[in-house]
Amino acid sequence: KQEVTQIPAALSVPEGENLVLNCSFTDSAIYNLQWFRQDPGKGLTSLLLIQSSQREQTSGRLNASLDKSSGRSTLYIAASQPGDSATYLCAVSNTGNQFYFGTGTSLTVIP
Amino acid sequence: DAGVIQSPRHEVTEMGQEVTLRCKPISGHNSLFWYRQTMMRGLELLIYFNNNVPIDDSGMPEDRFSAKMPNASFSTLKIQPSEPRDSAVYFCASSKTDGHQPQHFGDGTRLSIL
Repeated sequence: KQEVTQIPAALSVPEGENLVLNCSFTDSAIYNLQWFRQDPGKGLTSLLLIQSSQREQTSGRLNASLDKSSGRSTLYIAASQPGDSATYLCAVSNTGNQFYFGTGTSLTVIP
Repeated sequence: DAGVIQSPRHEVTEMGQEVTLRCKPISGHNSLFWYRQTMMRGLELLIYFNNNVPIDDSGMPEDRFSAKMPNASFSTLKIQPSEPRDSAVYFCASSKTDGHQPQHFGDGTRLSIL
């Protein structure tokens, strides 16, 4: 069974700082990987989806990279803002449908 | 287009009672997923459907849990009888079944079993 780990569990940064969130997975035979954001009391919002054949995806200030061989993905957030405060979850799929989730990184951006 | 719609948003009931959670997926999505989220175990997949057919229910914790998808626009997750350890947030998500589309989540049902 795929095991997904996210480090750190919590992170506080001052506004404007660039930051990196880490995700690692045990089975490198993945189909795709997805980064989500979760706000308190809300569902998950998909941020970026990376197919196994891709190395990275970008959306605005967000950049996600994928290194299948080492079982790692990173989510880079540029010029962080207080509105970026949320929990960020990484999810990995071996089939394209069934996703295994990490426990998330709780991000606080301090004004 | 409306997102994934779940009801109720909150449910508080006494142990032993039957609980029914409802989900309306995004129109055109043919995969539907039920997840449970707790502080201890994080987000766990309970069951997922492709074209209304259950594909993998290995995450369903016990026989007390059952899920149905009678048509492409509606699914239910039922717990009978409910127990305090079932207290969690239950999410429904949907996607297109081509492996290249992200999953879209509802806002969840916060379930408390007293």
